[in-house]
Amino acid sequence: GAGVSQSPSNKVTEKGKDVELRCDPISGHTALYWYRQRLGQGLEFLIYFQGNSAPDKSGLPSDRFSAERTGESVSTLTIQRTQQEDSAVYLCASSGSGGASYEQYFGPGTRLTVT
Amino acid sequence: GNSVTQMEGPVTLSEEAFLTINCTYTATGYPSLFWYVQYPGEGLQLLLKATKADDKGSNKGFEATYRKETTSFHLEKGSVQVSDSAVYFCALLGGTSYGKLTFGQGTILTVHP
Repeated sequence: GAGVSQSPSNKVTEKGKDVELRCDPISGHTALYWYRQRLGQGLEFLIYFQGNSAPDKSGLPSDRFSAERTGESVSTLTIQRTQQEDSAVYLCASSGSGGASYEQYFGPGTRLTVT
Repeated sequence: GNSVTQMEGPVTLSEEAFLTINCTYTATGYPSLFWYVQYPGEGLQLLLKATKADDKGSNKGFEATYRKETTSFHLEKGSVQVSDSAVYFCALLGGTSYGKLTFGQGTILTVHP
C-alpha cells in the first residue's frame, strides 16, 4: 500500500512569510508525528497526535509553530513568520499506535529553506 | 528525560571491512531501541529494532543487541558494501517519552571500493 506522503517536497520562502506543510499518513494509522532535521543534526521531535487524544506539543520550538490533524487522516504543520533558523527538513511519520513497540514509518520530508 | 548518544562520524571504510557504530542511551523504564538508515536522496527507513533486554535485531547483515547493563545498542556488520554508504541513526521509544522517538545525532558512513 501507499506509504506516508508529504507535500511540498521543497519549499523556499522569504523570511516573515507563513508556510503550511502537509502530511498524509498511512491509511488506518492512528498515530502521527512531526520531526525536524536541521543540517548535520539528528531529528528533533515536534508534535505527536494519537487518535482523538490531545496532541503532545512538547517539542514545538515556539508559538510560531502549530499543527492540526483531521480525525485520523491528513495533518498540516504551520510555521508563522518564518525565520532563517526554521530552515530544515520536516519529516512526518505515522504508526499503528502510539505504543512503545510500534514502528514509525517516515515520509520523504519537506525541505524548507527560508531566505 | 530520554537521550541517545552515537559515536561521532564520519566513518570511512573500505569494502568488506567490519563496521561498528556505537550507541548508548539514557532512559527510565524499558524503552524499545531502533536503528534507522537514510540513504542518499531517500527518506528515513527502519533498519532493525529490539524491544527488550538481550534481544538482537538484525537485517541486511546488520545486527545490534539491546544491552540493558551497559545501556547500549551498538550497530555491527561483518563486511560492509559500497551500497551501505548512508547516515545511520540510533533511536529509542518509550521511557519518559511515550510515543515519540528520541534520536541520536546520526553517523555518516562512507564505504569505498
